[in-house]
Amino acid sequence: GQQLNQSPQSMFIQEGEDVSMNCTSSSIFNTWLWYKQDPGEGPVLLIALYKAGELTSNGRLTAQFGITRKDSFLNISASIPSDVGIYFCAGPDSGNTPLVFGKGTRLSVIA
Amino acid sequence: DGGITQSPKYLFRKEGQNVTLSCEQNLNHDAMYWYRQDPGQGLRLIYYSQIVNDFQKGDIAEGYSVSREKKESFPLTVTSAQKNPTAFYLCASSTTGGTEAFFGQGTRLTVV
Repeated sequence: GQQLNQSPQSMFIQEGEDVSMNCTSSSIFNTWLWYKQDPGEGPVLLIALYKAGELTSNGRLTAQFGITRKDSFLNISASIPSDVGIYFCAGPDSGNTPLVFGKGTRLSVIA
Repeated sequence: DGGITQSPKYLFRKEGQNVTLSCEQNLNHDAMYWYRQDPGQGLRLIYYSQIVNDFQKGDIAEGYSVSREKKESFPLTVTSAQKNPTAFYLCASSTTGGTEAFFGQGTRLTVV
């Protein structure tokens, strides 16, 4: 099936720094979703994007649906220790099909 | 509270035994999913069901079985045919045609 490529695979940042991560696919997606997974827990939906070029914020998080519809970006501003976790991008392969997920970006925040 | 519940949180089984993981949702969602997560591998789809009494194989269905007798429940059986069953298993649900899936807290299965 379709695969999503996330980068970077992992990041170590200082508390207070801004973070950027991205997700690309080889084919067009009509929806992009960003999830966060805390250690030992299930992923939680952070932001959903439905239109090319859309920019959506959720507190300190901002995500963008790329114009080409083949990529998406997630930014976290002024990181704090509770931002630690794995961030996944996801989208439906086509139409009404289950979500496909990237392999995740593991974020570590150093206080 | 509406949500999706997986049980148990941790499960230990001996090699060669079948084991069933529970997933229940009270969100009135038609669609339910099972994903497997291994370190560094992301989430891989095992099975999904979009309606009661119907389900489809995902990318890694071999060695697993499911049933969907009730809208609220989608149990996953890890059979002895699954060669490497130790993993973190995640259940999710969504509305039919909806793209936003909501996850349970996961079950960590360890086979010894």
